[in-house]
Amino acid sequence: DTEVTQTPKHLVMGMTNKKSLKCEQHMGHRAMYWYKQKAKKPPELMFVYSYEKLSINESVPSRFSPECPNSSLLNLHLHALQPEDSALYLCASSQESGRHYNEQFFGPGTRLTVL
Amino acid sequence: DAKTTQPNSMESNEEEPVHLPCNHSTISGTDYIHWYRQLPSQGPEYVIHGLTSNVNNRMASLAIAEDRKSSTLILHRATLRDAAVYYCILRLPFSGNTPLVFGKGTRLSVIA
Repeated sequence: DTEVTQTPKHLVMGMTNKKSLKCEQHMGHRAMYWYKQKAKKPPELMFVYSYEKLSINESVPSRFSPECPNSSLLNLHLHALQPEDSALYLCASSQESGRHYNEQFFGPGTRLTVL
Repeated sequence: DAKTTQPNSMESNEEEPVHLPCNHSTISGTDYIHWYRQLPSQGPEYVIHGLTSNVNNRMASLAIAEDRKSSTLILHRATLRDAAVYYCILRLPFSGNTPLVFGKGTRLSVIA
């Protein structure tokens, strides 16, 4: 199974709502990532988790709160978002190390619209 | 990080070969050249990678210049399903838990 799944596929939320994005992989990968992609732009890194611990936070506003409850799951909790946070949110995973390269596997993304 | 430069867009006829160029003049001796592509409404997917020698796999070929300052991704027979944004990315070896740094990529259109 080389699949990264993300739910929901689409999400519309108001600026006062609290919602969560979910990502799951069963490839035994111990590195997991959240990227944000605005329309017609390349993906940009938000967070990296390594062995369930946050290792990189790219100065993301606190209204985005990541969580890695176990080695297969990655969540992104959303609260008090702004309309400019509307984007495609991509989850990815990869092996920690052990090869001279490590392919990242991406999910299909959650398209978020903030009203 | 060493940067890459790619054309914004390219167009190809279906069933013709496509050569997607990437310039990386500041590449270090240990950087691997990776290619990912992003099909419409999907997440990026790995295509191929190489260090010095040309590489082939079932999806594509990668031709690397002798001085490693440029490379070319070759799709031997473009199909409509190959229409995507193609990203050329440099990565250090054993960089398993480091993120991908995406440039603007090349948007490939395939005409039937």
